[in-house]
Amino acid sequence: EAGVTQFPSHSVIEKGQTVTLRCDPISGHDNLYWYRRVMGKEIKFLLHFVKESKQDESGMPNNRFLAERTGGTYSTLKVQPAELEDSGVYFCASSQRHEQYFGPGTRLTVT
Amino acid sequence: AQKVTQAQTEISVVEKEDVTLDCVYETRDTTYYLFWYKQPPSGELVFLIRRNSFDEQNEISGRYSWNFQKSTSSFNFTITASQVVDSAVYFCALSDVGQGAQKLVFGQGTRLTINP
Repeated sequence: EAGVTQFPSHSVIEKGQTVTLRCDPISGHDNLYWYRRVMGKEIKFLLHFVKESKQDESGMPNNRFLAERTGGTYSTLKVQPAELEDSGVYFCASSQRHEQYFGPGTRLTVT
Repeated sequence: AQKVTQAQTEISVVEKEDVTLDCVYETRDTTYYLFWYKQPPSGELVFLIRRNSFDEQNEISGRYSWNFQKSTSSFNFTITASQVVDSAVYFCALSDVGQGAQKLVFGQGTRLTINP
């Protein structure tokens, strides 16, 4: 069974540009989560989808971040426009019940 | 608010030593889940264990064991006879017990280095 995949693995962009991160969850998992780890700090929750609906987006830092989950399958997280403080590793996870399975993350660097 | 504290930022031991990673948590919920994840150099977070708050039995899986003590709000992780492949960052996490899955609250992580 394929695990959670994320694309790209790395992205380097300039401040003010737009970046879109993609996550493909484990097939059949209704729950999809986005988390972020800023350098040296803990991993923080961003938002939670149940199928195509946003269940909890309390962790989204501001309106420069937009997440979608098309048809309840893959998800995208767009940052527009990117700021320096957005740099970090963005993790996606999926679950059917309580155990969340994580992807390898996308390392985003904003210069 | 929920909080997880992993006071040990880095630990370095020699292979075959036993090592314990500490995890202390705070929550107002009476029922909750606790987790440990391993992050090897490849970057992904690997699920290790989930523990229900109403089950305080210790768990052992091979060289890994977990000690859950509700009285001290701790969920410590011990690796017995450590190996170089155990080198990774280890995260402790906490979640609500709600309908379906819930978001995880993570500790800061402990970087474990096993030296040959």
